[in-house]
Amino acid sequence: QQQVKQSPQSLIVQKGGIPIINCAYENTAFDYFPWYQQFPGKGPALLIAIRPDVSEKKEGRFTISFNKSAKQFSLHIMDSQPGDSATYFCAASKGANNLFFGTGTRLTVIP
Amino acid sequence: KAGVTQTPRYLIKTRGQQVTLSCSPISGHRSVSWYQQTPGQGLQFLFEYFSETQRNKGNFPGRFSGRQFSNSRSEMNVSTLELGDSALYLCASSLFSFGGRGSPLHFGNGTRLTVT
Repeated sequence: QQQVKQSPQSLIVQKGGIPIINCAYENTAFDYFPWYQQFPGKGPALLIAIRPDVSEKKEGRFTISFNKSAKQFSLHIMDSQPGDSATYFCAASKGANNLFFGTGTRLTVIP
Repeated sequence: KAGVTQTPRYLIKTRGQQVTLSCSPISGHRSVSWYQQTPGQGLQFLFEYFSETQRNKGNFPGRFSGRQFSNSRSEMNVSTLELGDSALYLCASSLFSFGGRGSPLHFGNGTRLTVT
């Protein structure tokens, strides 16, 4: 049973576009929602994270939008660049318990 | 500061054999978690060790086991390998137990295991 459902599986956008990756969860006890970025041949790296007491968080060109009532959160990448081409994973956890990851979205940004 | 180091990077084993993977966490990190990454399933949690004790365990068969040493280095062992065990095995370390509450997970680059 997938605790966190992520879509789409893959995404292709033109340079400058705004790719959006969506995630949904069921466990209302989750209180930490990070996004990880993974380049080929590398392990995932923390990109940005949000807690459920805020609806939006921005770090540079990356924004997380959080909808607590819908149990959904999404990642937006503003002014996307070819260097953003990677696989993105959303995740969720409760307290100090293990992170549940989504299945990943492979993003390709075309120059 | 050196990152998380996993050895070896690649392994090819035959069905039925066993394998041991190694992980050296970031200096000062006491928590080490292991994940299995496959194209269809994403990252699946295997187990977490904190100060040499297994704190959490995922839904994997008993063939998957691990341990942590006093210097926080960790090993993962898979016995009686099956074809379906072919995957990228990722180790992650964090300052405190798990990756929540301001103690993010720092991943290594993984060990690619191929079972033939």
